[in-house]
Amino acid sequence: NAGVTQTPKFQVLKTGQSMTLQCAQDMNHNSMYWYRQDPGMGLRLIYYSASEGTTDKGEVPNGYNVSRLNKREFSLRLESAAPSQTSVYFCASSDFREDGELFFGEGSRLTVL
Amino acid sequence: KNEVEQSPQNLTAQEGEFITINCSYSVGISALHWLQQHPGGGIVSLFMLSSGKKKHGRLIATINIQEKHSSLHITASHPRDSAVYICAVRSRFSNYQLIWGAGTKLIIKP
Repeated sequence: NAGVTQTPKFQVLKTGQSMTLQCAQDMNHNSMYWYRQDPGMGLRLIYYSASEGTTDKGEVPNGYNVSRLNKREFSLRLESAAPSQTSVYFCASSDFREDGELFFGEGSRLTVL
Repeated sequence: KNEVEQSPQNLTAQEGEFITINCSYSVGISALHWLQQHPGGGIVSLFMLSSGKKKHGRLIATINIQEKHSSLHITASHPRDSAVYICAVRSRFSNYQLIWGAGTKLIIKP
């Protein structure tokens, strides 16, 4: 019963490098989300996917792309990392049709030098 | 003015005290979430409410839809309750997006 699994947990990149954060959930949820959390600040939505095959921009989508590969998986890609993207990234899932409870991954700490 | 406001921002209390954290919102909602985040840690969902009251162990969450207000109570607080408590609401007009409060940092001293 893994819930929401994110990889990697830690990553250091140089400016301009690319990387993909992977997220998978095993709860058959329709909705998945990517958030970033900067020190001392709240969560900000980057992208979300209401259901398989759909993705929408959140508050802070610039510099990111996402793919909802299937119902389980929702990946976040940084094409050309910038120091401003240094943050902790959280993936979450829920199913608003049921109890709508949110489940979060453990977070991925990304540092861009 | 933020659509979701929490108070207090910071709260320090002694072990055993009864704790109340408040959340007020200004939009129509379909549900309200309370979540907990330990320092350097992940985020755990505590409650999802659309009406009334829920209880889980020493935690109680209430919501008053008419007054657009929710409270999270902790009875017999313990140092392990020290964390940031976050309120988030699901807008009635979009079940997919959440509006987040800034969080309340709680420290329980032994």
